[in-house]
Amino acid sequence: EDQVTQSPEALRLQEGESSSLNCSYTVSGLRGLFWYRQDPGKGPEFLFTLYSAGEEKEKERLKATLTKKESFLHITAPKPEDSATYLCAVQATRTGNQFYFGTGTSLTVIP
Amino acid sequence: KAGVTQTPRYLIKTRGQQVTLSCSPISGHRSVSWYQQTPGQGLQFLFEYFSETQRNKGNFPGRFSGRQFSNSRSEMNVSTLELGDSALYLCASTPGVRTEAFFGQGTRLTVV
Repeated sequence: EDQVTQSPEALRLQEGESSSLNCSYTVSGLRGLFWYRQDPGKGPEFLFTLYSAGEEKEKERLKATLTKKESFLHITAPKPEDSATYLCAVQATRTGNQFYFGTGTSLTVIP
Repeated sequence: KAGVTQTPRYLIKTRGQQVTLSCSPISGHRSVSWYQQTPGQGLQFLFEYFSETQRNKGNFPGRFSGRQFSNSRSEMNVSTLELGDSALYLCASTPGVRTEAFFGQGTRLTVV
């Protein structure tokens, strides 16, 4: 069964305190792994797509990496505006555009 | 370029009623998917439509249905509403296969 598990469920950081979010996945034939950011009351906002183990993507203070079993979202020197829920999702080769989402990590960055 | 538009943003319905939600995808996107988001379950896939055909369906009862029109706009319908159907319903449009999806702001449905 295709499954995505994210940890931790919640994370509180001081401004400038770097950390990583984890996404472990089990999927029969990975088509892609996706990271989204979701603010309260809004739809998820796309951040990154990773397709193969060893791939890395960066955007401002965020860096996503991928292995055969998990992905990490590294947040370097976070700011309060980085506070949001970060969602990880995978697509399987047999199920087209369907995403399997984890339940997310709620990040709070304290000034 | 306009994003994904969902209407209405908020709905309050009574148990037993039915509801129709609407989604207009990004221009040029032919694939539209629907997701249900609840605090306990996260985002759960409902179904995907491509060129007016349902291409994939999640594990939801038959009370949940959808359709897509020739202009790629999509609607989803929930009949005989239950309290547990209260959720944020999200629509996502995709330009192709193996690409990211772009989500709308969602419709917040409350069943009382």
